Amino acid sequence: EPEVTQTPSHQVTQMGQEVILRCVPISNHLYFYWYRQILGQKVEFLVSFYNNEISEKSEIFDDQFSVERPDGSNFTLKIRSTKLEDSAMYFCASSGQRNTEAFFGQGTRLTVV
Amino acid sequence: QKEVEQNSGPLSVPEGAIASLNCTYSDRGSQSFFWYRQYSGKSPELIMSIYSNGDKEDGRFTAQLNKASQYVSLLIRDSQPSDSATYLCAVNTGFQKLVFGTGTRLLVSP
Repeated sequence: EPEVTQTPSHQVTQMGQEVILRCVPISNHLYFYWYRQILGQKVEFLVSFYNNEISEKSEIFDDQFSVERPDGSNFTLKIRSTKLEDSAMYFCASSGQRNTEAFFGQGTRLTVV
Repeated sequence: QKEVEQNSGPLSVPEGAIASLNCTYSDRGSQSFFWYRQYSGKSPELIMSIYSNGDKEDGRFTAQLNKASQYVSLLIRDSQPSDSATYLCAVNTGFQKLVFGTGTRLLVSP
């Protein structure tokens, strides 16, 4: 069964460092998303991406964040200068059509120290 | 602020019983509705989607949608201990994003 794949599963980084979280969406999907979940809190939307551009972004997704689809399979989230409060689980998701089911990857646990 | 509200629980049911999980949403323009299951430390797993008023059944799961009341529910029949998890209600308001509730923790006791 097709699935969304994320790497790494766990990333520890020092405050102020740049991190890149990687995702391989389901191969025939066109819509891509990043969500995050701080421990004990709800899943929060960060950004959606379609046709090589950002469709929607939340207030969380400020200038420190960027997304890229560098080739035909990968979808990345970059945090330029990490803060302690960026520590969270980051989930990539993809869907085949607009506003339909989104399937989530297993997540990357980011720990900023 | 577009909100999705769920009772955090825990909702405790015995094995074999029906578990009923509820969700309300604030944006009348919401178009699609989803239930995800999340085990501790894991990612959300899609279990049901519903787009129009009424009931939708899939195996032991039934999703119910009432747009007039802005209400979505999930029924789990013949609950099993393996169903113990947090159930997340997610709503798409017409933009390319999901708004999640805080989730309801379900405990199914043997």
